[in-house]
Amino acid sequence: NAGVTQTPKFQVLKTGQSMTLQCAQDMNHNSMYWYRQDPGMGLRLIYYSASEGTTDKGEVPNGYNVSRLNKREFSLRLESAAPSQTSVYFCATRRQGSTTNYGYTFGSGTRLTVV
Amino acid sequence: AQSVTQPDIHITVSEGASLELRCNYSYGATPYLFWYVQSPGQGLQLLLKYFSGDTLVQGIKGFEAEFKRSQSSFNLRKPSVHWSDAAEYFCAVDTPAGGSQGNLIFGKGTKLSVKP
Repeated sequence: NAGVTQTPKFQVLKTGQSMTLQCAQDMNHNSMYWYRQDPGMGLRLIYYSASEGTTDKGEVPNGYNVSRLNKREFSLRLESAAPSQTSVYFCATRRQGSTTNYGYTFGSGTRLTVV
Repeated sequence: AQSVTQPDIHITVSEGASLELRCNYSYGATPYLFWYVQSPGQGLQLLLKYFSGDTLVQGIKGFEAEFKRSQSSFNLRKPSVHWSDAAEYFCAVDTPAGGSQGNLIFGKGTKLSVKP
């Protein structure tokens, strides 16, 4: 049971290049999230998807686009990377229902450096 | 808007000493509350969570947290710290509780160093 899988784990981009961060889950959860983590800032929500076919902006959406391709996959795209987007990116899913099982599952992260 | 405050950016404690990490939240209703730990270069590990009921919750690795509605706090405690507890700790609040639009909002984290 893989849970939440993020690819790639590491990436170096040049300013202006584009790339897509991939996230896939095998838990059949409706809600998926993209966060970025920067030193001293905690994790900040970029975009989320409450269900297949819907996406919404979080706290820091500028410079990013997302696609909820199907229930399993939620990708994050940087169209023109900037050094300010150097960060660690985490994908997460949310299990709803009873509080016994309610919670979030995080991927292992993608460390992105933009030079 | 909801927010989470962790007042201490960095705390240093001696091994074997007790630990308390502070967390305050701002939210109009009863939130779901979480504590996560992150070791350097690693992902997030859930320590414990609170939804309702008993305000003292037990987690993994000997951690516990107490929910105090009157103070809007959810402080994390451990009676005796081990060197392996050195890591960064994040408090998070989920809003609205159980709703379809719930989102997890994180504090900025507290880095814990442990002296031998």
